[in-house]
Amino acid sequence: GAGVSQSPSNKVTEKGKDVELRCDPISGHTALYWYRQRLGQGLEFLIYFQGNSAPDKSGLPSDRFSAERTGESVSTLTIQRTQQEDSAVYLCASRTIQGVGYTFGSGTRLTVV
Amino acid sequence: KQEVTQIPAALSVPEGENLVLNCSFTDSAIYNLQWFRQDPGKGLTSLLLIQSSQREQTSGRLNASLDKSSGRSTLYIAASQPGDSATYLCAVHMNRDDKIIFGKGTRLHILP
Repeated sequence: GAGVSQSPSNKVTEKGKDVELRCDPISGHTALYWYRQRLGQGLEFLIYFQGNSAPDKSGLPSDRFSAERTGESVSTLTIQRTQQEDSAVYLCASRTIQGVGYTFGSGTRLTVV
Repeated sequence: KQEVTQIPAALSVPEGENLVLNCSFTDSAIYNLQWFRQDPGKGLTSLLLIQSSQREQTSGRLNASLDKSSGRSTLYIAASQPGDSATYLCAVHMNRDDKIIFGKGTRLHILP
């Protein structure tokens, strides 16, 4: 597609439920990144994919968080047993392997009630 | 560990003024530096990207400079407009196959 697409754009879930967030990168972009932005805070790195492998997942905050990627396309970020502190905007970005700039999606706003 | 700092955290200026946003980073061995704009409730829009070998980049009323040796970048906005109101984020990329590290941003408000 023309840009990075994220779905859903908004998600409200009850504490303790699992959620899945989806990112469709730009076609041909081999590198994919997930970031989290809590209200009023900066962007926190979560995980980086090169193709379908994740050389850097150092930012995942706990074992409740996991992510996978199918080939060089869609990625899903899964949060199990959601907690209120998981409420944030989850942003996805992609770039080509040779590329120098990142393109971000519009994010998924997750609210845990 | 790379740290990116943006000063000021917030800025309000009257419409029409020229202004400068500052970004500093602790490790000068960067691959590139990118400035983004973020509007409330929206994602990030890339404004300018400066490769480590470059000194500046320009796009319209925006000019970004990079002084790698001193660990500084500035974003210059000429003839500011109310539509420029947003949060401006500076991000550094340490090498091609790595995450980018963001500053906390400068929240800019242009007064009509």
